[in-house]
Amino acid sequence: NAGVTQTPKFQVLKTGQSMTLQCAQDMNHEYMSWYRQDPGMGLRLIHYSVGAGITDQGEVPNGYNVSRSTTEDFPLRLLSAAPSQTSVYFCASSSRGQGKNEQYFGPGTRLTVT
Amino acid sequence: GEDVEQSLFLSVREGDSSVINCTYTDSSSTYLYWYKQEPGAGLQLLTYIFSNMDMKQDQRLTVLLNKKDKHLSLRIADTQTGDSAIYFCAESRATDKLIFGTGTRLQVFP
Repeated sequence: NAGVTQTPKFQVLKTGQSMTLQCAQDMNHEYMSWYRQDPGMGLRLIHYSVGAGITDQGEVPNGYNVSRSTTEDFPLRLLSAAPSQTSVYFCASSSRGQGKNEQYFGPGTRLTVT
Repeated sequence: GEDVEQSLFLSVREGDSSVINCTYTDSSSTYLYWYKQEPGAGLQLLTYIFSNMDMKQDQRLTVLLNKKDKHLSLRIADTQTGDSAIYFCAESRATDKLIFGTGTRLQVFP
């Protein structure tokens, strides 16, 4: 099993550009989520999905879109990049059950917006 | 509120015990977690505790939970330089979301 994979590892964008961060998992997990990590702020939830075709907003959804057409993939789209979106982005997946949410994280995408 | 709070830094000597503390807000949290993040890497689940437990031990790791005070701690016995990392606590809410603390950077010196 590859676990959770993310591409690209690094990306530099100009303000106003759009791009998609890719996330895939091969563990047949129902639950997938996107976080951003900023210094001194821990991880903040952007969007999450509890299964194919179902997505919901997290704590900081503005400026980001997601879709979940398959169980395996959960891409994150930046519609019009802003310097405030400079961050490290992590995708995670987990199986659900009895309130337990043991999440497996990808290696992260380091995004810089100039 | 939604905050899960941790102190930002902890420095310990190699061989000593480390204790990383966390306070959370939601008394309905079912599971509480500890994650480790090494430089340039994603988060790795270290251990978790179910909310009806007071303590869980796993080799060098001991998790203590005080539900009344909403306080969680992670003790690492015989701390090694390889334990240097950022440690995050997280609480699991009924909505399947995980709420993370700000992370504690553990530095182990010889």
